[in-house]
Order: sequence, then C-alpha cells, then structure tokens
Amino acid sequence: NAGVTQTPKFRILKIGQSMTLQCTQDMNHNYMYWYRQDPGMGLKLIYYSVGAGITDKGEVPNGYNVSRSTTEDFPLRLELAAPSQTSVYFCASTEGKGATFFGQGTRLTVV
Amino acid sequence: GESVGLHLPTLSVQEGDNSIINCAYSNSASDYFIWYKQESGKGPQFIIDIRSNMDKRQGQRVTVLLNKTVKHLSLQIAATQPGDSAVYFCAEILRNTPLVFGKGTRLSVIA
Repeated sequence: NAGVTQTPKFRILKIGQSMTLQCTQDMNHNYMYWYRQDPGMGLKLIYYSVGAGITDKGEVPNGYNVSRSTTEDFPLRLELAAPSQTSVYFCASTEGKGATFFGQGTRLTVV
Repeated sequence: GESVGLHLPTLSVQEGDNSIINCAYSNSASDYFIWYKQESGKGPQFIIDIRSNMDKRQGQRVTVLLNKTVKHLSLQIAATQPGDSAVYFCAEILRNTPLVFGKGTRLSVIA
C-alpha cells in the first residue's frame, strides 16, 4: 500500500516557467489537499478537493491551479513560477474524520 | 490570523523525562483535533486524534488532553526518547473542512 505519492521530490525552476506537481493516493480517499511549508513555518493550505470533480481554494491559492478528474490524482499546477513559490509542497489525503496521510513532499526552488 | 497556535516554539527535554507540548485554538466550534509529528525532510505523520466530545485520549506513550473551556490542547509524551525529536503540530477540523495547522513546536531530546 503506497499511501500518498508525490513526484518529483526536488525541482529547480526558472522564473516564469511552469510545472505540475503530481500527487496520487491509493486509499480511495475522497478528500485531498495541497499544502506549502516555508522554512521554519507551519503548513498553509493552497487548494483542496472533497471528491472527484470538486476543488476549492485554500488560504494561499494565488499562482496555483488544481484539477481532480479522478479520485486518485490531484495535480497542482504552477504557472509563471515566482521566487515566492520556493517552498516544500505537501499533498495529503483523508477519508474525512481520521488520520490525514501526507506525501513525502516536493522541494521546489524558483531562481 | 491563525486559529490554532502553540505556546512554545521550542522545547528541550532530557531523555526519559515526560514532554508536554501545548496548543491553543480559537474556534470553539471545531469538533476534531489531530497531533502530527514531522521529522526533518519528511511529511507530517499522524500521532493521535481526539474528538471534541472527549477530554482525554491515550495512545502508545502519548496522551492528548482537550480542555474546551479554555480552548487548549496538549500532547504528553511519556519517557521521551531521542527518536521523538521532531516538530509537532496540532491541527483542528470543523465539520470536514481542511485541517488548520499551528506553527509547530520543535522538540529536542537531550541524551
């Protein structure tokens, strides 16, 4: 059982480039989340989804987009990368109340 | 501002002693709380949860206490071990809305 899998683990982007952070879970969870974590800080919610076809903005959605075409996958798209988006990105999933499972993170640097 | 916060950003304890990590929350309607442990370079890992209709829950070497009167949550770790060194986050859920995380407390265990 793989849990939550994120790819890539590391990425360096130039300012203005775009990329997609992949997230997939094999636990059939309806709820999926994207968080970013800046150094020494807590997690801030970017976007979340309560099921396939449904997405909602979190606390810091600007500069990002998501889609949820399947239960398993919840990719995060960065358009026109900026240095302020340098962070560690975590994808998570849960069935609702109960443990939320996190991926290992994607460390993104925008230069 | 954040509805979930922590009183102490860092905590150092001797190996074998008990650790207590505190958390304050501001939303009295939150009905579910979770403690997470995050080791360096890894994603948050579920430790223990508690529902708002409980005031105490015990796990293996960990106990979570909930005081709804003062909106306070604590995590107690018995016989702290070097492997407990990490950042600990509390998080709250209100009716299946996304987790709101505090900034975290770094626990350092002194051998």
